[in-house]
Amino acid sequence: EADIYQTPRYLVIGTGKKITLECSQTMGHDKMYWYQQDPGMELHLIHYSYGVNSTEKGDLSSESTVSRIRTEHFPLTLESARPSHTSQYLCASLTGLFGGELFFGEGSRLTVL
Amino acid sequence: AQRVTQPEKLLSVFKGAPVELKCNYSYSGSPELFWYVQYSRQRLQLLLRHISRESIKGFTADLNKGETSFHLKKPFAQEEDSAMYYCALSPYSGSARQLTFGSGTQLTVLP
Repeated sequence: EADIYQTPRYLVIGTGKKITLECSQTMGHDKMYWYQQDPGMELHLIHYSYGVNSTEKGDLSSESTVSRIRTEHFPLTLESARPSHTSQYLCASLTGLFGGELFFGEGSRLTVL
Repeated sequence: AQRVTQPEKLLSVFKGAPVELKCNYSYSGSPELFWYVQYSRQRLQLLLRHISRESIKGFTADLNKGETSFHLKKPFAQEEDSAMYYCALSPYSGSARQLTFGSGTQLTVLP
């Protein structure tokens, strides 16, 4: 079934741990995006990719990194998590011709203690 | 720089009443505008786009370039409309690189 899968959905970890948030889509979309969202706030773009081996940073500065080795897979990694990284992370792919037609995953809620 | 403003963080209406969620934008070119919705425990999803001039779940939105607004309207609200609504703007580019979201409005439809 065509979808975007994000794992884990919820993660609570201690400071200093390395974490990877997984994002996989089965729709063959080239353009993928990571957003960060705090409660009651706008979504902020932190990373995007236009295809395999293409990754760029978004407008919101983030200490995370991403990779795009396969079209369907766009993981986000934090080498050393801190409490300031506590947030909801949303993965999305561009589903239409227009720049605003995104298909989102269910999100990964990260809490760093 | 482009900007999207949703002036109401919270909005409550009674079932059957009309509802309007406000969205104002600033952008120097011709924007593409969208409304996204997130129901409780569900993912964020596209509700409608202005270029399609469509009505989805009874909701419509008209782009008013003079007032730089893209308000979302429904004549008779239903309890299942309770959700978080986000307005978003994009230059026509075929990429979401410049997609800007508002901060959202939590709509509650009371019985």
